[in-house]
Amino acid sequence: DAGVTQSPTHLIKTRGQQVTLRCSPISGHKSVSWYQQVLGQGPQFIFQYYEKEERGRGNFPDRFSARQFPNYSSELNVNALLLGDSALYLCASSLVGSGSATNTGELFFGEGSRLTVL
Amino acid sequence: AQSVTQLDSHVSVSEGTPVLLRCNYSSSYSPSLFWYVQHPNKGLQLLLKYTSAATLVKGINGFEAEFKKSETSFHLTKPSAHMSDAAEYFCVVRDTGGGNKLTFGTGTQLKVEL
Repeated sequence: DAGVTQSPTHLIKTRGQQVTLRCSPISGHKSVSWYQQVLGQGPQFIFQYYEKEERGRGNFPDRFSARQFPNYSSELNVNALLLGDSALYLCASSLVGSGSATNTGELFFGEGSRLTVL
Repeated sequence: AQSVTQLDSHVSVSEGTPVLLRCNYSSSYSPSLFWYVQHPNKGLQLLLKYTSAATLVKGINGFEAEFKKSETSFHLTKPSAHMSDAAEYFCVVRDTGGGNKLTFGTGTQLKVEL
């Protein structure tokens, strides 16, 4: 079975440019979450989408946006790139939109898209 | 707000010796806690999860963790380290506000020496 797939795996941009990162969840999973992992730190939550609706947003500026498509794949867009946006962007999928006593809503992570901003 | 604190940024052990990675949590409710591992240039892999069932949780690759409410701890252990265990380990708590938001600790880099 295919896991979570992300593209591109690596990319280099310059300050002020825009970037789009893509994520395909595990087949049957309806929730996609995005995380930013800066070098040497733990991942930080950016967005969660479930059934094509935004279900959560982390403490990131409006330059960050995302959407989920009818096939449950997702895109993360970052506008007006800054040097500090250089990071590994991780996508995670889960079967459901939230955890419960009977379903932990386990997240499965992709290998990430490594963005370098020069 | 919920949070986790990983008490060691780096841990070094010899192959075949026990591993202990420490994590304390802060939560107003019964938390959902996880340990994830990240090998170099790889994504995150779930090692184990605690969701208010058994307090001793067994995971993959011989790892286990014990939830201790009195100590607000969720330490990760393994009886005998293997070279392939060298990686970054993250203690994680799920937000109780609904959804799948996870809050990660700062990570512990595990080094395994011959």
